[in-house]
Amino acid sequence: DSGVTQTPKHLITATGQRVTLRCSPRSGDLSVYWYQQSLDQGLQFLIQYYNGEERAKGNILERFSAQQFPDLHSELNLSSLELGDSALYFCASSVEGDGFYEQYFGPGTRLTVT
Amino acid sequence: GENVEQHPSTLSVQEGDSAVIKCTYSDSASNYFPWYKQELGKRPQLIIDIRSNVGEKKDQRIAVTLNKTAKHFSLHITETQPEDSAVYFCAGGGANNLFFGTGTRLTVIP
Repeated sequence: DSGVTQTPKHLITATGQRVTLRCSPRSGDLSVYWYQQSLDQGLQFLIQYYNGEERAKGNILERFSAQQFPDLHSELNLSSLELGDSALYFCASSVEGDGFYEQYFGPGTRLTVT
Repeated sequence: GENVEQHPSTLSVQEGDSAVIKCTYSDSASNYFPWYKQELGKRPQLIIDIRSNVGEKKDQRIAVTLNKTAKHFSLHITETQPEDSAVYFCAGGGANNLFFGTGTRLTVIP
């Protein structure tokens, strides 16, 4: 157990809908990262937050957004969902925010869009 | 942006043999190179990482080497065991981004 928690574990929804994925980092970690893992594209970095501020952006679609709250938990919002958004979504956390150091992954949320 | 390529995509070795997975990267500004192991249905777990000011790092049966000039880094697993069977991902990045390779499925045959 990495200490990073994610909810829900599974999510099934229809195209066009909007969902929110939640992540709580390890105690003491200030950085949260979001990744998408699909069968044909491996692990893709989406976005990083550090102590409430957006720090780095990867291949995140405009339909997706994220935020980190004062208690350091983070939410990833996915809207206007398409079939291709079906994937495993991982969050990870680390102590530092400058660059990437020892990221610990949560168990993931499996999103299925039908 | 950065492009990390990983090969082979699948690798089968006999128990006790060594396994080597190689990655190349394109951005000379990348300075951090972690390796993750992901077992089926589970989260990626960091197994070793190396920063660009170091050429080699070892942790028991696992070692990583980095050649900054050639922009490639490799994972070496010695004395492989069946529990080493998993998908291994390399990644490269720096202050603003981290890019993952497409993964290597390692199978250790007892």
